[in-house]
Amino acid sequence: DAKTTQPNSMESNEEEPVHLPCNHSTISGTDYIHWYRQLPSQGPEYVIHGLTSNVNNRMASLAIAEDRKSSTLILHRATLRDAAVYYCILRDPYKAAGNKLTFGGGTRVLVKP
Amino acid sequence: DAGVIQSPRHEVTEMGQEVTLRCKPISGHNSLFWYRQTMMRGLELLIYFNNNVPIDDSGMPEDRFSAKMPNASFSTLKIQPSEPRDSAVYFCASSLEGASSNQPQHFGDGTRLSIL
Repeated sequence: DAKTTQPNSMESNEEEPVHLPCNHSTISGTDYIHWYRQLPSQGPEYVIHGLTSNVNNRMASLAIAEDRKSSTLILHRATLRDAAVYYCILRDPYKAAGNKLTFGGGTRVLVKP
Repeated sequence: DAGVIQSPRHEVTEMGQEVTLRCKPISGHNSLFWYRQTMMRGLELLIYFNNNVPIDDSGMPEDRFSAKMPNASFSTLKIQPSEPRDSAVYFCASSLEGASSNQPQHFGDGTRLSIL
């Protein structure tokens, strides 16, 4: 299975953008890039996903490199509530195990007031 | 809308006792997942069900662990006998899955289990 690599932690100031990188150099053509986040004392929460094109929703934007070997989750204006661990996960819906999410270590985001 | 509901939120019990964790998925969802989170191993998938049928239990650590889904609105994860190394936060998640779908998984708030 293709793996992802993320920095262990990042710091940001409140109201500033946060760019969270994820490397996935062995990504396959049918792997989707999913992002989840886990707030303290809560279960993970879906953020966004994409295949090739950049994606936007109310929570964040996902920028995917042209060769798909990396991607960046963008939080446009960080708030204290965005302090969480962010997980980048590859998921192939066409595989028999496509429902499974394999969580790595994620990136712990600290937002400073 | 009600999310995934897990009970109990916290469980403290002695080694050797039977532990039963419960999960009510979101109504209408057809897939249910049990995860375990520890500091050492992070978040791991234990087992998942599709239409109440166990599809993949390769993550279940050993025979002391068992999971059931008797109907679409209820699942249990049982540990018997429990051991201190089973101490962790156990999450249940559900989703609406179809062929080749990318539906997000919705997680409960977890059960924090401590085995003394």
